[in-house]
Amino acid sequence: AQSVTQLDSHVSVSEGTPVLLRCNYSSSYSPSLFWYVQHPNKGLQLLLKYTSAATLVKGINGFEAEFKKSETSFHLTKPSAHMSDAAEYFCALWVSSNTGKLIFGQGTTLQVKP
Amino acid sequence: NAGVTQTPKFRILKIGQSMTLQCAQDMNHNYMYWYRQDPGMGLKLIYYSVGAGITDKGEVPNGYNVSRSTTEDFPLRLELAAPSQTSVYFCASMWARRETEAFFGQGTRLTVV
Repeated sequence: AQSVTQLDSHVSVSEGTPVLLRCNYSSSYSPSLFWYVQHPNKGLQLLLKYTSAATLVKGINGFEAEFKKSETSFHLTKPSAHMSDAAEYFCALWVSSNTGKLIFGQGTTLQVKP
Repeated sequence: NAGVTQTPKFRILKIGQSMTLQCAQDMNHNYMYWYRQDPGMGLKLIYYSVGAGITDKGEVPNGYNVSRSTTEDFPLRLELAAPSQTSVYFCASMWARRETEAFFGQGTRLTVV
């Protein structure tokens, strides 16, 4: 069965320090993986996606993620946090050769302190 | 270019009432999804559809029904609303290809009192 686990429900960093948001997945088929961001009272915006090409994926606003099949992970990173990065982040999994479900993790709230 | 449109944006229902949340997309996507979002719980899949006439249950389908008579529309029906259905509902659509991603509507905030 497919599943997505975000290992931290809440992450707090200081402005200018690195960000690491962790995501593990479980899938019997080759996955597509996504990171979405949701600012308060807003919809979801795509940050980046992995769909079988390069394992290091660059997204918007300086974020990037690395697909590691051996570790079944897709962690999101950013070298230097900005106050505007404070939001809810969701990791998602889609398997085209299976049911077509798009499954989300529980979300990680990123707090950025001045 | 409208993308994914959800209506209404807000709604208050009384216990036992019924309503339909509308979702329409103009990108000719074959896959469509309905999620509910509760604080600290992420997005839970309610129902999804891989094409017109085909629907399937997600993680939390109880109390909901869907239909997909056209490629564009994927309405979510709540029968006999209960307080536990108070949530924010999101509709999404995507192509069934690995190179794509899901596009989301702006959400419907539903309160059942």
